[in-house]
Amino acid sequence: DAGVIQSPRHEVTEMGQEVTLRCKPISGHDYLFWYRQTMMRGLELLIYFNNNVPIDDSGMPEDRFSAKMPNASFSTLKIQPSEPRDSAVYFCASTPQGPNEKLFFGSGTQLSVL
Amino acid sequence: AQSVTQLDSQVPVFEEAPVELRCNYSSSVSVYLFWYVQYPNQGLQLLLKYLSGSTLVKSINGFEAEFNKSQTSFHLRKPSVHISDTAEYFCAVRINTGGFKTIFGAGTRLFVKA
Repeated sequence: DAGVIQSPRHEVTEMGQEVTLRCKPISGHDYLFWYRQTMMRGLELLIYFNNNVPIDDSGMPEDRFSAKMPNASFSTLKIQPSEPRDSAVYFCASTPQGPNEKLFFGSGTQLSVL
Repeated sequence: AQSVTQLDSQVPVFEEAPVELRCNYSSSVSVYLFWYVQYPNQGLQLLLKYLSGSTLVKSINGFEAEFNKSQTSFHLRKPSVHISDTAEYFCAVRINTGGFKTIFGAGTRLFVKA
């Protein structure tokens, strides 16, 4: 398996623009997580899905952030409009059903909002 | 609410010296405990985990962690570190309430000096 695949690897955009980050989880994994990593806040859980259904989005910072999972093999995290303080590394992770399973992380998307 | 506290943001240490990275958590429900490692420009990788049974768990590269329920701690140790251990280490808890939400600590940057 290719692992969790995120795209793009790097994204540079201007303030006010819409940004869409993409994630393809490992096939067969029922859970998908979106995390944001910054120097100031460390690794923060934004939202997670179970079987394509959002379970907990309490970590989504503002209404400018939205996430979808239209099917088991694809998820998006959208920021509209983007702001400089959104600059961070965004990680997607997936895990199979079961509490003893580790998270499999993608390589992350480095987002820079100018 | 659940939380994870990593008491040290940075730990500098000389090669071949022992190291301990501290982690405390708080939760009113049962949890599973994990340590993840992040090498520069990479996603997180599982280092070791505690689910049940023996409170001392070990990784293949010489790290170990001990679950202490009374102190709600899960400190990570290595008796002799190598330059290649330089990385950021994250303690994480997974809450067993049916949703399997995973919360990470802020991370500890281990810097091994020659």
